Amino acid sequence: KAGVTQTPRYLIKTRGQQVTLSCSPISGHRSVSWYQQTPGQGLQFLFEYFSETQRNKGNFPGRFSGRQFSNSRSEMNVSTLELGDSALYLCASSLGTGAPYEQYFGPGTRLTVT
Amino acid sequence: AQKVTQAQTEISVVEKEDVTLDCVYETRDTTYYLFWYKQPPSGELVFLIRRNSFDEQNEISGRYSWNFQKSTSSFNFTITASQVVDSAVYFCALSVPVKAAGNKLTFGGGTRVLVKP
Repeated sequence: KAGVTQTPRYLIKTRGQQVTLSCSPISGHRSVSWYQQTPGQGLQFLFEYFSETQRNKGNFPGRFSGRQFSNSRSEMNVSTLELGDSALYLCASSLGTGAPYEQYFGPGTRLTVT
Repeated sequence: AQKVTQAQTEISVVEKEDVTLDCVYETRDTTYYLFWYKQPPSGELVFLIRRNSFDEQNEISGRYSWNFQKSTSSFNFTITASQVVDSAVYFCALSVPVKAAGNKLTFGGGTRVLVKP
């Protein structure tokens, strides 16, 4: 099976712009979670989507949003970018039902905001 | 709220030495799951192991082993006979199942392991 894919891998944006990141989960997985990784805050949960519905959300401002499509692919959007949004954004997929099974992570999108 | 603490920020060993990574977690829930992930320089988090709160049996899988002790809320991970390829950042994570609320991982701060030849 193909793993989790994320596009683009690297992105440079300017403050005030917006950005959209994409994630394709492992085939058959219905849950997609997004995490932000920074040197200062570590790995933090952003949100999770299951069957096109957001069912869990972390403590991030409303500038961070996402959605999931019927084929389980997910996008994450950050509007009005700030310097502090520079981070590695990781997407993870899992079956999404039953117990909290392991999540499989993609390679990440490294976002730099200048 | 859940919390995971990895007190060791960096460990340096020489190849073939054993490495033990400490993890202490906090949760009020009686049902929870613990994980270890590895993040090599490429950046992708690689799943290593998962344990649930009802199974304290410690196991060995190849060069990996883990010690889960509910009495001390610890979930330590050991790499036996370390190799240079084991150099990475290792994360301990906790997940508490909440009905209809999905699968959120709370991560520790990570421990960087450097294995020197």
